[in-house]
Amino acid sequence: DADVTQTPRNRITKTGKRIMLECSQTKGHDRMYWYRQDPGLGLQLIYYSFDVKDINKGEISDGYSVSRQAQAKFSLSLESAIPNQTALYFCATSDSYDRDGRNEQFFGPGTRLTVL
Amino acid sequence: QQQVKQSPQSLIVQKGGISIINCAYENTAFDYFPWYQQFPGKGPALLIAIRPDVSEKKEGRFTISFNKSAKQFSLHIMDSQPGDSATYFCAASFNQAGTALIFGKGTTLSVSS
Repeated sequence: DADVTQTPRNRITKTGKRIMLECSQTKGHDRMYWYRQDPGLGLQLIYYSFDVKDINKGEISDGYSVSRQAQAKFSLSLESAIPNQTALYFCATSDSYDRDGRNEQFFGPGTRLTVL
Repeated sequence: QQQVKQSPQSLIVQKGGISIINCAYENTAFDYFPWYQQFPGKGPALLIAIRPDVSEKKEGRFTISFNKSAKQFSLHIMDSQPGDSATYFCAASFNQAGTALIFGKGTTLSVSS
């Protein structure tokens, strides 16, 4: 089973609709992240959470909100979707401690969101 | 202001050749510089990373060269193979476990056979 899962994998929605993207992890990591990927723009950080009670805005948080329901679950919401939120969304996790010197973030498979 | 600038945007290399991707950063407080590799339809995965106390790190065919004074670092892929065809992202962060990463815009590498 995958360590970081995202649901749905693909979603088409209409302008103005509320949509939630979900992320679950079995790695036991404290830290979770949401990124957005657009062609030619790389990965941009939307929100990140260092534990259940800690939520932080990233580079592009406007129009998005998040909820950390448990250590293993971190969801991203678009309250009123707009077409320029069409993108590939990735969830990632990392450990609180750099146990092996790699300080690695582990990414899920992504959710492709299209807003019409 | 873009904190991590990556070039080129795309790169075509013949099989067996050397692929070189460059990144420059602005914030001198950054002290952790990873490279992530992404295949189509997959999430990025850590390839190799360096901290500024060394000028070079090598893992197999992949080498990071780091120039602290120039605020630049680069990824070298020796003996490039078709299986290396992917998108590569450089990133930077502060030397603290789990700190959020600032990514470059990515380089799409195609290795022709």
